[in-house]
Amino acid sequence: QKEVEQNSGPLSVPEGAIASLNCTYSDRVSQSFFWYRQYSGKSPELIMSIYSNGDKEDGRFTAQLNKASQYVSLLIRDSQPSDSATYLCAVNYGHFNKFYFGSGTKLNVKP
Amino acid sequence: KAGVTQTPRYLIKTRGQQVTLSCSPISGHRSVSWYQQTPGQGLQFLFEYFSETQRNKGNFPGRFSGRQFSNSRSEMNVSTLELGDSALYLCASRPGTAYEQYFGPGTRLTVT
Repeated sequence: QKEVEQNSGPLSVPEGAIASLNCTYSDRVSQSFFWYRQYSGKSPELIMSIYSNGDKEDGRFTAQLNKASQYVSLLIRDSQPSDSATYLCAVNYGHFNKFYFGSGTKLNVKP
Repeated sequence: KAGVTQTPRYLIKTRGQQVTLSCSPISGHRSVSWYQQTPGQGLQFLFEYFSETQRNKGNFPGRFSGRQFSNSRSEMNVSTLELGDSALYLCASRPGTAYEQYFGPGTRLTVT
């Protein structure tokens, strides 16, 4: 059983639309959650971290966490072609202090 | 602040050889983690070092090992290379008091 699940996509959205990326995880004791963006041929870049239930906003990005349902999502408002990348969800399991990554969702923003 | 640096960036090795990869964390970061990324398996955790001690280890064979020095720089060694070890090896650092990890550019290892 995979610890972190993501839809591999690709998710295609038109420029200016809202892109919604989802991630589910299997362990209820997970404490911290992260979204990374990875352009082709590059290393992952941290976009957002979220620790508590609810929404956290940073510019065009909003992370949403629902621990009861064990999912975390990332919304990208006013999507731009430069947002086209693979988005990785990462979960830290506090009692083991290990990070697990989802396989990533490929996002295509069409001009 | 300078980011995480990794050397070398590209490496080609022959099956059976060994390889050592190096990682210099962000200044002040005491935790260094190593990951293997392949198209088929995604990003997989290898191990984490904190203050020169291995704190966590993923499910990789003993051919994969690492160490951390007193200046927090870390090295990862893979012995008896196999074709399946071809991957992007990523190093990530964090302060140790926070969970946000920052990745280096990676080392692309090709085993022929």
